[in-house]
Amino acid sequence: DGGITQSPKYLFRKEGQNVTLSCEQNLNHDAMYWYRQDPGQGLRLIYYSQIVNDFQKGDIAEGYSVSREKKESFPLTVTSAQKNPTAFYLCASSTSTAVATNEKLFFGSGTQLSVL
Amino acid sequence: AQSVTQLDSQVPVFEEAPVELRCNYSSSVSVYLFWYVQYPNQGLQLLLKYLSGSTLVKGINGFEAEFNKSQTSFHLRKPSVHISDTAEYFCAVTPLQGGKLIFGQGTELSVKP
Repeated sequence: DGGITQSPKYLFRKEGQNVTLSCEQNLNHDAMYWYRQDPGQGLRLIYYSQIVNDFQKGDIAEGYSVSREKKESFPLTVTSAQKNPTAFYLCASSTSTAVATNEKLFFGSGTQLSVL
Repeated sequence: AQSVTQLDSQVPVFEEAPVELRCNYSSSVSVYLFWYVQYPNQGLQLLLKYLSGSTLVKGINGFEAEFNKSQTSFHLRKPSVHISDTAEYFCAVTPLQGGKLIFGQGTELSVKP
């Protein structure tokens, strides 16, 4: 079955530690996105990538880094510079033709990151 | 720039009652509009979308929404809710010419027996 897989489902971070959230898709989508979800704030865009080896900052990129070495994979690293990392992180993807309209955005099931 | 306001953070209703989840947006350009549903500990699923044409849009699970350009609203409705509709619902917009998908804060729908 085609889809987006995020792992792990739950992740704990110690102070000063970098952690990496995995996002893999087998939908052959060109574009991939990372959102952060906080209660009462909806979703906010962290980073997005429209093509392999290219990515752009979203609204809240500080304290995060990404890479897009393969079309299928878009891992997100939460660095020690992110002082408030506790949130639900959602990965999404879309076809290149749907990037402009966002009409076919597919979401993963999310990763809950908590600070120890 | 665009912004989306969902007027109710929580909406409790009884099973088989009608429900309306309100969404207003602000934009200096024309937009596409979306409603997404998120079940506990899951990602978002597209409920329905308005791109053009008829302002009354029907989606999955018996939901529908009406685009009102003059009031800049896109309220979501269902005539009779089920327990399984309990979830968080997000309204979102994106400019016609392309750009980011802007989400509202979410409305938690709680359906009680």
